Amino acid sequence: SAVISQKPSRDICQRGTSLTIQCQVDSQVTMMFWYRQQPGQSLTLIATANQGSEATYESGFVIDKFPISRPNLTFSTLTVSNMSPEDSSIYLCSVVSTGVLETQYFGPGTRLLVL
Amino acid sequence: AQSVAQPEDQVNVAEGNPLTVKCTYSVSGNPYLFWYVQYPNRGLQFLLKYITGDNLVKGSYGFEAEFNKSQTSFHLKKPSALVSDSALYFCAVIGSSNTGKLIFGQGTTLQVKP
Repeated sequence: SAVISQKPSRDICQRGTSLTIQCQVDSQVTMMFWYRQQPGQSLTLIATANQGSEATYESGFVIDKFPISRPNLTFSTLTVSNMSPEDSSIYLCSVVSTGVLETQYFGPGTRLLVL
Repeated sequence: AQSVAQPEDQVNVAEGNPLTVKCTYSVSGNPYLFWYVQYPNRGLQFLLKYITGDNLVKGSYGFEAEFNKSQTSFHLKKPSALVSDSALYFCAVIGSSNTGKLIFGQGTTLQVKP
């Protein structure tokens, strides 16, 4: 399986600021996703990061709040903009190496606390 | 709408006893089902999946799951639980075979006591 790293692993931020999370994979992958896991909750898909084009966002998530980039097949970033305490969550990237029915592997996550 | 349900917030078992973590699903079309485990302060680790073929799927760390189409279930099982199996378990289904997007259940905390 692909080796996935995320930076930062955790951060504490002030409200109104923005944080960019990086996701790096050690091999080229076909699909990359960003999920949010709020405290004590399950995972919710934020968006599909599309290589070379705009991300595809799920209902309830917008580009102005969560801009995403994917410049190549091994790297993506998620920015959490104008943060509020409600954005305190774990943010995880995931990847699929080949077809859409293949296993989705997850990064270690970024733990964000907004004060 | 596609959905996954894990009816138990927590499952408690004694070490050495068999364990079952329940999952039911609702999808249109063929179900593609997954189990993941999350240890404290860690990301999600893949355990096993059902795409097609045998209803009994074997995965990592001695876990297995049985796909039951008539009951729309995909319960996770292990014959003999270990204390180290204590973690948060998620069942997931691919919501659309065209996109690969996963829909997760709410998670079940497994507590294995010595």
